[in-house]
Amino acid sequence: QKEVEQDPGPLSVPEGAIVSLNCTYSNSAFQYFMWYRQYSRKGPELLMYTYSSGNKEDGRFTAQVDKSSKYISLFIRDSQPSDSATYLCVPWGGYQKVTFGIGTKLQVIP
Amino acid sequence: NAGVTQTPKFRVLKTGQSMTLLCAQDMNHEYMYWYRQDPGMGLRLIHYSVGEGTTAKGEVPDGYNVSRLKKQNFLLGLESAAPSQTSVYFCASSYLGGIPPDTQYFGPGTRLTVL
Repeated sequence: QKEVEQDPGPLSVPEGAIVSLNCTYSNSAFQYFMWYRQYSRKGPELLMYTYSSGNKEDGRFTAQVDKSSKYISLFIRDSQPSDSATYLCVPWGGYQKVTFGIGTKLQVIP
Repeated sequence: NAGVTQTPKFRVLKTGQSMTLLCAQDMNHEYMYWYRQDPGMGLRLIHYSVGEGTTAKGEVPDGYNVSRLKKQNFLLGLESAAPSQTSVYFCASSYLGGIPPDTQYFGPGTRLTVL
């Protein structure tokens, strides 16, 4: 079983839609949950992170973690064409090894 | 403040040729990493360094060597390139390493094709 699983997509939505991006993980030692965003032909950049279970909101973005089911979600409200990118789920156990998901490619159609 | 830069941006090699990829960061970060990114595989760690003069193997180190002679630079070498090494290579750096929350700052990538 892979440590991190994501549907690679692509996921196409109309502008203004609410987007739900999801990820599952297998290692119960993960405590921090990060989302990186990667635009085409660019390096990934940290979007936001949460600690343990619960929700965290940052503008139009909400990260949600359910440790009991090992399920991570990123919600994007009022999606914009500029949100078109690949979103990488990155659970982390607080040690040097970082496990990146393969990412979900999102396309927001104007 | 340029962040993390990578040289070159693109390169085409023939099988058996050698090359060095250069990564430089100006954020005084202790930790530096080399990843490769392939379709359907995600980012995989090749080698990393926890400080000047140190290196360690990651998930997929075979066929690569690295050196960290200066804190700001991390070099990735391919001694005898193979078609399986065709990939996009990303360098990253971080300040805190294993101390949460850790943010890795990535360079723009090097697209390498081995014929």
